[in-house]
Amino acid sequence: GQQLNQSPQSMFIQEGEDVSMNCTSSSIFNTWLWYKQDPGEGPVLLIALYKAGELTSNGRLTAQFGITRKDSFLNISASIPSDVGIYFCAGQLLGAAGNKLTFGGGTRVLVKP
Amino acid sequence: DTAVSQTPKYLVTQMGNDKSIKCEQNLGHDTMYWYKQDSKKFLKIMFSYNNKELIINETVPNRFSPKSPDKAHLNLHINSLELGDSAVYFCASSPGTGEAPYEQYFGPGTRLTVT
Repeated sequence: GQQLNQSPQSMFIQEGEDVSMNCTSSSIFNTWLWYKQDPGEGPVLLIALYKAGELTSNGRLTAQFGITRKDSFLNISASIPSDVGIYFCAGQLLGAAGNKLTFGGGTRVLVKP
Repeated sequence: DTAVSQTPKYLVTQMGNDKSIKCEQNLGHDTMYWYKQDSKKFLKIMFSYNNKELIINETVPNRFSPKSPDKAHLNLHINSLELGDSAVYFCASSPGTGEAPYEQYFGPGTRLTVT
């Protein structure tokens, strides 16, 4: 079953706002990845994190690998309309077979009407 | 050049038919995957191959059979299609080894509709 809890499930953004989302689990992960999926497209890798406590940026995106290795956070600063989409966290579970990733359920980012 | 490509992009077929989806990656990766994304957008791993060998086989009906003729290609054949097979199927690849073994790169998806 799904082992990653991603929140919020959806959020509305207004241009210029900073937004945050997170992923939590009761299990320990070796690696955290964040993806963005636009409608009709495949998920695109945004940021990869490999060490507990690691903070990594990619443009206006910043992600952190939680110290406990059971969570990760993604922040988007000064959001713009093209930030709309579904953001997925994914983790490589400690002891998982092969290179299997466990995916969160996604955070749907929408524009405030 | 497209890194991970899938064909076809759309597939509409009737129940009971057999169909195949093809995937190719030009990234030189060792590992390839098939995922199913349902209407709620949840991504579920189906299969994974490393250098043409099956390494992950989740609880998937036997009607689904992956085939990897070489490490750059991973195809998915589905027999006796059912309504519940309607979904978007994504192929992905990752290095498998080295500094970033788990970073998966996804194809554009194949939207399968079974009527």
